[in-house]
Amino acid sequence: DVKVTQSSRYLVKRTGEKVFLECVQDMDHENMFWYRQDPGLGLRLIYFSYDVKMKEKGDIPEGYSVSREKKERFSLILESASTNQTSMYLCASSSGTPPYEQYFGPGTRLTVT
Amino acid sequence: SQELEQSPQSLIVQEGKNLTINCTSSKTLYGLYWYKQKYGEGLIFLMMLQKGGEEKSHEKITAKLDEKKQQSSLHITASQPSHAGIYLCGAEKSGANNLFFGTGTRLTVIP
Repeated sequence: DVKVTQSSRYLVKRTGEKVFLECVQDMDHENMFWYRQDPGLGLRLIYFSYDVKMKEKGDIPEGYSVSREKKERFSLILESASTNQTSMYLCASSSGTPPYEQYFGPGTRLTVT
Repeated sequence: SQELEQSPQSLIVQEGKNLTINCTSSKTLYGLYWYKQKYGEGLIFLMMLQKGGEEKSHEKITAKLDEKKQQSSLHITASQPSHAGIYLCGAEKSGANNLFFGTGTRLTVIP
């Protein structure tokens, strides 16, 4: 069974803290993605990666960075958390060949106070 | 840039009723994906459509892609409380292997 796991379901951090969100997939997928989801704005792509050590900016990369040192793991880093980064963060993975259906983790609800 | 518009934004139906959710694009869709999200959780892949006129079904859910490949509909027959959640359509970006998503349709099914 396909599985994408995220390190935390709920996280509360203070403004200015460095935050790490981790995602692991067990499907040997080439592609991995980080999204944030906000009411009324839908799902927005932050960063994605096509391969180990490769990363591409999505639609809203400002304030975030990523790391992919191993194929199965993709980390999202908030260098200095701010209140406007309070959101639901979703990780996904997909094969590098079509069809490109993405498999999602359960999400991390991050609150920055 | 291409966008996906979903309608309605929210829907409340009585258990047992049929319903339809639409997903419309201003440009040709290269691959259309339907997902369901339970409140506060991740997205679950339902089905994917590629060819104009294609139709797929899974249990009581049927998805169609029109001939022009610019609109897809998701139809639920005899809705149940277990169908409640947010339904999102996603489409492949041209020349890329990632997706962009509509803003979702929130479905409530009243027992």
